[in-house]
Amino acid sequence: AQSVTQLDSQVPVFEEAPVELRCNYSSSVSVYLFWYVQYPNQGLQLLLKYLSGSTLVESINGFEAEFNKSQTSFHLRKPSVHISDTAEYFCAVSEGLSGGGADGLTFGKGTHLIIQP
Amino acid sequence: DAGVIQSPRHEVTEMGQEVTLRCKPISGHDYLFWYRQTMMRGLELLIYFNNNVPIDDSGMPEDRFSAKMPNASFSTLKIQPSEPRDSAVYFCASSPDRNNEQFFGPGTRLTVL
Repeated sequence: AQSVTQLDSQVPVFEEAPVELRCNYSSSVSVYLFWYVQYPNQGLQLLLKYLSGSTLVESINGFEAEFNKSQTSFHLRKPSVHISDTAEYFCAVSEGLSGGGADGLTFGKGTHLIIQP
Repeated sequence: DAGVIQSPRHEVTEMGQEVTLRCKPISGHDYLFWYRQTMMRGLELLIYFNNNVPIDDSGMPEDRFSAKMPNASFSTLKIQPSEPRDSAVYFCASSPDRNNEQFFGPGTRLTVL
């Protein structure tokens, strides 16, 4: 069974500074990887995903994540954050099309990104 | 598409009462998931359906919880009787594929007094 570890429960960052939110996963098969964002009092929204191909994936609002198979990581980065990026960020993994495993996504416990002015 | 629709958005009830949460998935999505989110436990998968059939309900906390999906466009999560520890935000999500992106509803914030 797969699992996801988000080591940081909370990350405070100054506005316009860079940020990295860490995500490590464990799985015995090839995986799909996802980052979701949850703004206050809202549901989760997909930020970006890795299914196959280029290991670097980007979102429309400046976030990017890189799939590193050897380190089983999928860290999320942004070179310059804004106040509006304050939210909870969830990393998730699924077992792709490998079959045999459970359906659906396994979520990490989330990282609260706090942007300080 | 309107996205995943959940109702009610907020529910306040007293301990012992029956609570029914509703979800309308995105049309054409074969998978439907129910989650619970609390500060202490984070996001927990309760149950999921494939083509209206419950596949895995191992996350349902106890027999007080039940879920149904009578057709492809409607699902309910029922708690009977409700207890204060059931207070949480309950999310419904749907997906077109087995292990691909899930689309979340806005959630139902349940408060049991």
